[in-house]
Amino acid sequence: GIQVEQSPPDLILQEGANSTLRCNFSDSVNNLQWFHQNPWGQLINLFYIPSGTKQNGRLSATTVATERYSLLYISSSQTTDSGVYFCVAGTYKYIFGTGTRLKVLA
Amino acid sequence: NAGVMQNPRHLVRRRGQEARLRCSPMKGHSHVYWYRQLPEEGLKFMVYLQKENIIDESGMPKERFSAEFPKEGPSILRIQQVVRGDSAAYFCASSPPDRAAYNEQFFGPGTRLTVL
Repeated sequence: GIQVEQSPPDLILQEGANSTLRCNFSDSVNNLQWFHQNPWGQLINLFYIPSGTKQNGRLSATTVATERYSLLYISSSQTTDSGVYFCVAGTYKYIFGTGTRLKVLA
Repeated sequence: NAGVMQNPRHLVRRRGQEARLRCSPMKGHSHVYWYRQLPEEGLKFMVYLQKENIIDESGMPKERFSAEFPKEGPSILRIQQVVRGDSAAYFCASSPPDRAAYNEQFFGPGTRLTVL
């Protein structure tokens, strides 16, 4: 089955810093999404991005499907960005990556 | 347009009891997926349903777990004779009726099940 790996596993940032999160997937996929799971456990949909580039405020994402990776960029990080970021890929059966645990310090 | 709704949001059961988790998909969506998140882990696929049909239940434990999505009403995930290892967050997602393999899934807020 599809393997989804994320890096780094943990990240600590000072408020205002920028970061890049990476997702590698082992096979071609029809769907790819990025989620933020906040400290209360809610899953927040950030991007549906099986290919190409999208931007939403301070966040942007790029997926290069032919090379089987996706990147999530967070600029000017805020404490509310803390939580776990999941890359999710697959067909209808979504495979969740191992996650990047982000902590933003005030 | 309301999002995916799940209830209850928190459920406490004693060992041996039954747990029923409900999921109402987004309006117009006819595909429902259930995922389970054990503590400190990512979500794992359990089952994919369309109205009155189970399409893929390869992630469901073989015993005690069942799911349905009737013609009318919400999808139900049922866990019989719960054990402590069933304690987890259960998330439901839905997608539009066409080409499920190429569609974004929209997730609900989850039901947090605690088994005492």
